Amino acid sequence: GDSVTQMEGPVTLSEEAFLTINCTYTATGYPSLFWYVQYPGEGLQLLLKATKADDKGSNKGFEATYRKETTSFHLEKGSVQVSDSAVYFCALSDRSGGSNYKLTFGKGTLLTVNP
Amino acid sequence: KAGVTQTPRYLIKTRGQQVTLSCSPISGHRSVSWYQQTPGQGLQFLFEYFSETQRNKGNFPGRFSGRQFSNSRSEMNVSTLELGDSALYLCASSIQGDAYNEQFFGPGTRLTVL
Repeated sequence: GDSVTQMEGPVTLSEEAFLTINCTYTATGYPSLFWYVQYPGEGLQLLLKATKADDKGSNKGFEATYRKETTSFHLEKGSVQVSDSAVYFCALSDRSGGSNYKLTFGKGTLLTVNP
Repeated sequence: KAGVTQTPRYLIKTRGQQVTLSCSPISGHRSVSWYQQTPGQGLQFLFEYFSETQRNKGNFPGRFSGRQFSNSRSEMNVSTLELGDSALYLCASSIQGDAYNEQFFGPGTRLTVL
């Protein structure tokens, strides 16, 4: 079945540091890939997405590129801020058979940014 | 445009009881999905409804059930509650629910089973 593996946290960075959170996936079909962010006490918000190979999703300074050859979708940001502290989830939605109409999530990575 | 709303936000129940959670999707969205979030298992898919029909179901026991009404609002029910059912239950709505459409999440219902 489908699965998503992302780097274990927590990740602690200083403000303005470079961020990378690794994400790799396994899918039976041709998935769309997503990064969601969850702030304390809130639901999930879509951060960015990519629906086909070599697509780059970007939002609020965050970027991720859909790499089919390495089955990866790593999240990057050049300069993090304290307000970026949150839990980040990599997810996929496969378009085939029983995997359609649902998101499969990674375990989440807690990011803490210190001033 | 109002977001996804979930009621109640917090619930405390005892083992053996049953519970019903409610979700109101964004206006115009016909797909509603439910997810369970726990520290140990992370986010797990429960089920998805579109136009009152369940299109997909996760690997949860039959104690977990759901339904969707003609106005797209959805409810999920958990019967014979167990301690392990303590979790944050998230509802998400989408226009079509497929891989091309964004899922918008509500704030969740925090269920505690004592």
